[in-house]
Amino acid sequence: AQSVTQLDSHVSVSEGTPVLLRCNYSSSYSPSLFWYVQHPNKGLQLLLKYTSAATLVKGINGFEAEFKKSETSFHLTKPSAHMSDAAEYFCVVSDYGGRRALTFGSGTRLQVQP
Amino acid sequence: DAGVTQSPTHLIKTRGQQVTLRCSPKSGHDTVSWYQQALGQGPQFIFQYYEEEERQRGNFPDRFSGHQFPNYSSELNVNALLLGDSALYLCASSLQQGGTQYFGPGTRLLVL
Repeated sequence: AQSVTQLDSHVSVSEGTPVLLRCNYSSSYSPSLFWYVQHPNKGLQLLLKYTSAATLVKGINGFEAEFKKSETSFHLTKPSAHMSDAAEYFCVVSDYGGRRALTFGSGTRLQVQP
Repeated sequence: DAGVTQSPTHLIKTRGQQVTLRCSPKSGHDTVSWYQQALGQGPQFIFQYYEEEERQRGNFPDRFSGHQFPNYSSELNVNALLLGDSALYLCASSLQQGGTQYFGPGTRLLVL
């Protein structure tokens, strides 16, 4: 069975400081992993995805994530936060190379202080 | 290139009524998935349609049903609405079942 655990429900950072959003996953076979972002009253936007190629994945807006199989983790990072990064972030898993339906984590709300 | 579109944007219904939500996939996509997002939670998978057939289904009762048309657009129907059905309903499209899913803006349903 596939599942994800987002370790922090809320993260608050200052503008210009690094961002770390933590995600652990459980998967039966060959997971695809994603991070999606949801701004208030907006739909979900894909930030990045891992599909068994390079373990360090670069996404949009300066975000990146590293797939660590030994730790079953897929943490999202950004070197320097911007006010526009304030949003809800979801870690997502799909088994069998993405052919299974997406399973979402409960989300991490990122606040960026000026 | 239009992305995924959903209609209506907002909807208010009363308990026991029926509702139909609509989704048009991104151009070139042939697979549509539906998700329910309750307030403060992550989206939960309802079902997926490909080649006009339901291919996968999440843990939702039979009150939730769907359809996919030859042009790949899709409908989500919910019968006998309950207060707990109040949520944001998201549609996502992809190229075939394993493709990356792109989401629409959602339909916010309120059941009174």
